[in-house]
Amino acid sequence: DIEMTQSPSTLSASVGDRVIIVCRASQSISGWLAWYQQKPGKAPNLLIYRASTLESGVPSRFSGSGSGTEFALTISSLQPDDFATYYCQQYDNYPWTFGQGTKVEIK
Amino acid sequence: EVRLSESGGGLVQSGGSLRLSCVASGFIFGGYPMNWVRQVPGKGLQWVSTISGTGDHTYYADSVKGRFTMSRDNSKNTLYLQMDSLRAEDTAVYFCARGPPFDYWGQGTLVSVSS
Repeated sequence: DIEMTQSPSTLSASVGDRVIIVCRASQSISGWLAWYQQKPGKAPNLLIYRASTLESGVPSRFSGSGSGTEFALTISSLQPDDFATYYCQQYDNYPWTFGQGTKVEIK
Repeated sequence: EVRLSESGGGLVQSGGSLRLSCVASGFIFGGYPMNWVRQVPGKGLQWVSTISGTGDHTYYADSVKGRFTMSRDNSKNTLYLQMDSLRAEDTAVYFCARGPPFDYWGQGTLVSVSS
């Protein structure tokens, strides 16, 4: 199975900060990586797919980058609505696997 | 508007069975693979199973293989997850999702397995 490791697990930041979340895969996933945002009690929401393609309707302050085994989600200027938990997911090989999540908290 | 709506969750004893359903609307259901993803409250996301658009191919996480069966009825725009031999560790919120990538999700249904 491909293991996905996110860092950090928790991130404290202020409104306006630039935030970067890193996701590493245990083997190359050829760019088949998605990022999701989840708020308490809600289903996850797709932000980025194919490592760097912004999902329709997602604000442009979100961007994805990376290839091979190392990927990043960047929020260019953190907004109040962005405090949530973020997950990466590989869909290159079964079983699809998620990272453990990164909780973005208010500093 | 794409909508996914799960039902069928509840409280069941260890060793029991449940069948979850997910009704889809707003898109050509048979044109997409569909998935079940679960989440223990307060914990992370775990992929459970995927079914192809035609229903010919299914894939399962090792933790549920042989106990869970995923199916679909494209004439009814409905996805199913038959869960047998349930264990306490199957307790979670179960989401259906379209994809991959998982671009639309249902609201989730809670399955609680008591030991």
